[in-house]
Amino acid sequence: AQTVTQSQPEMSVQEAETVTLSCTYDTSENNYYLFWYKQPPSRQMILVIRQEAYKQQNATENRFSVNFQKAAKSFSLKISDSQLGDTAMYFCAFMKLTGNQFYFGTGTSLTVIP
Amino acid sequence: GAVVSQHPSRVICKSGTSVKIECRSLDFQATTMFWYRQFPKQSLMLMATSNEGSKATYEQGVEKDKFLINHASLTLSTLTVTSAHPEDSSFYICSASLTDRNTIYFGEGSWLTVV
Repeated sequence: AQTVTQSQPEMSVQEAETVTLSCTYDTSENNYYLFWYKQPPSRQMILVIRQEAYKQQNATENRFSVNFQKAAKSFSLKISDSQLGDTAMYFCAFMKLTGNQFYFGTGTSLTVIP
Repeated sequence: GAVVSQHPSRVICKSGTSVKIECRSLDFQATTMFWYRQFPKQSLMLMATSNEGSKATYEQGVEKDKFLINHASLTLSTLTVTSAHPEDSSFYICSASLTDRNTIYFGEGSWLTVV
């Protein structure tokens, strides 16, 4: 079974500053995908960034980047130059290569303070 | 625009009745769709995998007779909550993927309130 753990239920950051959200996971799979999703108050799930486990290079997407440590099973999200629109719930998620079902962490509520 | 659409976005039903939620893939065919449930301020929990033309695969602890899933076409999966109870009130979200499996879309979600 796959488990995803987010140890920070709530976080806040000053606008324009940088914040890092933590995520750890447990799996016996060797190849898989990891994701960060953003869920604003509208509840729509929005993909932030994706990482393939077989790629050593950390994924980046504009202001968003990850620190993927496969041996430690850690997958943190760094948001640079935080903007008010970044305020949302952030979910870390795991997906096996052989299926498209997600296993989500418990989420981190991020508030960007003006 | 949305590539996976759910309907209705909000529904209120009486205890004991059944309610159906639709998940449609727009502009693409999805042999597999997934249904998730999200309680307030909690994470998304996978309920079941909906397979076109065959029976759904349910996660442990999910009552298959209560949450009926039908995937009759490549663009439509339905979740029917039977004999609804107030504890079934929740936010339900579906997802679908393109055949390359690398692109996954979520629906907008459906709020169910059972009174």
